[in-house]
Amino acid sequence: IAGITQAPTSQILAAGRRMTLRCTQDMRHNAMYWYRQDLGLGLRLIHYSNTAGTTGKGEVPDGYSVSRANTDDFPLTLASAVPSQTSVYFCASSDSSGAFADTQYFGPGTRLTVL
Amino acid sequence: GQNIDQPTEMTATEGAIVQINCTYQTSGFNGLFWYQQHAGEAPTFLSYNVLDGLEEKGRFSSFLSRSKGYSYLLLKELQMKDSASYLCAVLDSNYQLIWGAGTKLIIKP
Repeated sequence: IAGITQAPTSQILAAGRRMTLRCTQDMRHNAMYWYRQDLGLGLRLIHYSNTAGTTGKGEVPDGYSVSRANTDDFPLTLASAVPSQTSVYFCASSDSSGAFADTQYFGPGTRLTVL
Repeated sequence: GQNIDQPTEMTATEGAIVQINCTYQTSGFNGLFWYQQHAGEAPTFLSYNVLDGLEEKGRFSSFLSRSKGYSYLLLKELQMKDSASYLCAVLDSNYQLIWGAGTKLIIKP
């Protein structure tokens, strides 16, 4: 059982380029999340999806977009990368049903550098 | 605004006990999580508290006081592998996790 996989592991990107970070889970969790983690700051939620076909904005959504075409995949796209998007990006999933709070499981992360 | 406070860094000795505190001010409360994150790795779940009191799980225990907006993570019989960051996170009224910046725990022999 892989859990959650992310690709690529790391990437150096020129400013202005478009980039998609991939996330796939095999746990059949209905909820998925994208976070960024920067030194000295807590994890910040970018976008989330409570179920396939729906997405929502988190705390820092500007410059990012997501889609949730099916249960397993939740790609994050940077339309035109800027240096402030240099960060470590984590995808997570949880089996959240209704008002029941469940544990989030994290992928290994993608280290993105925008020059 | 919503706020989670925890110490930036703590140092402890192998075999000892350490308590990592977390205070929170959030819009609503639906539970508090502790995660462990080793350097360069993903956060992994340690504990979840939604009711007041102490939850014990092996060498790790987590305490919650909702009236005080306070939690702590207690690590006993510290081992070198416990060197990591410990993240406190609160599930708010919208069922979104609000994360603290984490406490880096350094274990010395």
